[in-house]
Amino acid sequence: DAKTTQPNSMESNEEEPVHLPCNHSTISGTDYIHWYRQLPSQGPEYVIHGLTSNVNNRMASLAIAEDRKSSTLILHRATLRDAAVYYCILRGMDSSYKLIFGSGTRLLVRP
Amino acid sequence: ETGVTQTPRHLVMGMTNKKSLKCEQHLGHNAMYWYKQSAKKPLELMFVYSLEERVENNSVPSRFSPECPNSSHLFLHLHTLQPEDSALYLCASSQALFTDTQYFGPGTRLTVL
Repeated sequence: DAKTTQPNSMESNEEEPVHLPCNHSTISGTDYIHWYRQLPSQGPEYVIHGLTSNVNNRMASLAIAEDRKSSTLILHRATLRDAAVYYCILRGMDSSYKLIFGSGTRLLVRP
Repeated sequence: ETGVTQTPRHLVMGMTNKKSLKCEQHLGHNAMYWYKQSAKKPLELMFVYSLEERVENNSVPSRFSPECPNSSHLFLHLHTLQPEDSALYLCASSQALFTDTQYFGPGTRLTVL
């Protein structure tokens, strides 16, 4: 399985945008890029996923580099509730039901 | 509220006890999963069920025994655990085995004394 690399932690101010990077230089052509987050004392929750094109939903945006070797999760206006560990996960399109979690990025949001 | 519930939320047990963790999903999904999250370690997939059949047993010791009596319920039976088994045990479900999104429950915090 292709691996991802994320910073251990990041900080942001409330109501400011946050850009969470993820490197995945060994990504294969059929790997989707998934993002989950885990709020304190909760299980992980799905945030967004994409293959090649940038994606937007009500929670966040996903910007995928043209060579697909990196991606960025964008929270447009961070709130205190967005403080969580964010996981970037590669998942094969055709055969893998597995979500292989790494260590993720712990996002701290300052009031 | 994700539609996946887990009970109990906290459990303390001795090494000689037998206990069970319960997971229930109200989403009409056909695949269910058990994960283990130890302190300072990434989530580890333990078991996967699809249409009540086990499709993955990820080298988990036999002191952990899963059961999936129907597509809505998943159990994890525990016996003669070790202190290093203390962790957060998470249940998840998805529409089907290869569906994009998994929905997680809040987890059961297990402490083995």
